[in-house]
Amino acid sequence: DTGVSQDPRHKITKRGQNVTFRCDPISEHNRLYWYRQTLGQGPEFLTYFQNEAQLEKSRLLSDRFSAERPKGSFSTLEIQRTEQGDSAMYLCASSSVGGGANSPLHFGNGTRLTVT
Amino acid sequence: GNSVTQMEGPVTLSEEAFLTINCTYTATGYPSLFWYVQYPGEGLQLLLKATKADDKGSNKGFEATYRKETTSFHLEKGSVQVSDSAVYFCALSDYSNSGYALNFGKGTSLLVTP
Repeated sequence: DTGVSQDPRHKITKRGQNVTFRCDPISEHNRLYWYRQTLGQGPEFLTYFQNEAQLEKSRLLSDRFSAERPKGSFSTLEIQRTEQGDSAMYLCASSSVGGGANSPLHFGNGTRLTVT
Repeated sequence: GNSVTQMEGPVTLSEEAFLTINCTYTATGYPSLFWYVQYPGEGLQLLLKATKADDKGSNKGFEATYRKETTSFHLEKGSVQVSDSAVYFCALSDYSNSGYALNFGKGTSLLVTP
């Protein structure tokens, strides 16, 4: 178990630019989640995948955000035309299907995005 | 909808003091409850969990009991250490959450001083 890894750890970009983050889940986990965390707040759910299918998207995920998990392994989260309000920590998590609510989510260390 | 409310921090304690961080929840069904911890510069780590009423989760000296009658899952530790300084998040999951995703509280920052 090598854990969930996210890349990059930090990203600074100028307003209006596009950014893409990558997440590699724990290899045997078929559920993958993206969360956003701002300062002083708990993580907020953005979207999740079961295998390669994106099954739910939060209303927080505007049309500038898109996520993919093309082969049911790693996932990417792209933000187009970034805005200063997009500055946050973006967290990826994975879990296995079998245990339902009893299967804890395993989180990566996150990608901190700063939009200037 | 599902939600979690936890006490606001920051909480500052002296080493060896008793810790309580309050957490209450609102849920559609019968959720599983979790405490996650985030140490400085690190990702969220599962600290403990409880999956049904009256269950007690425990790990590293921390405990929390699932109280259905009071919809609570308070985190306790009898004697905190400087190394326990972190942000603690209470969370829940149940069938009504997409893919059993977690609903988190806002987090409680704990600082333990020598």
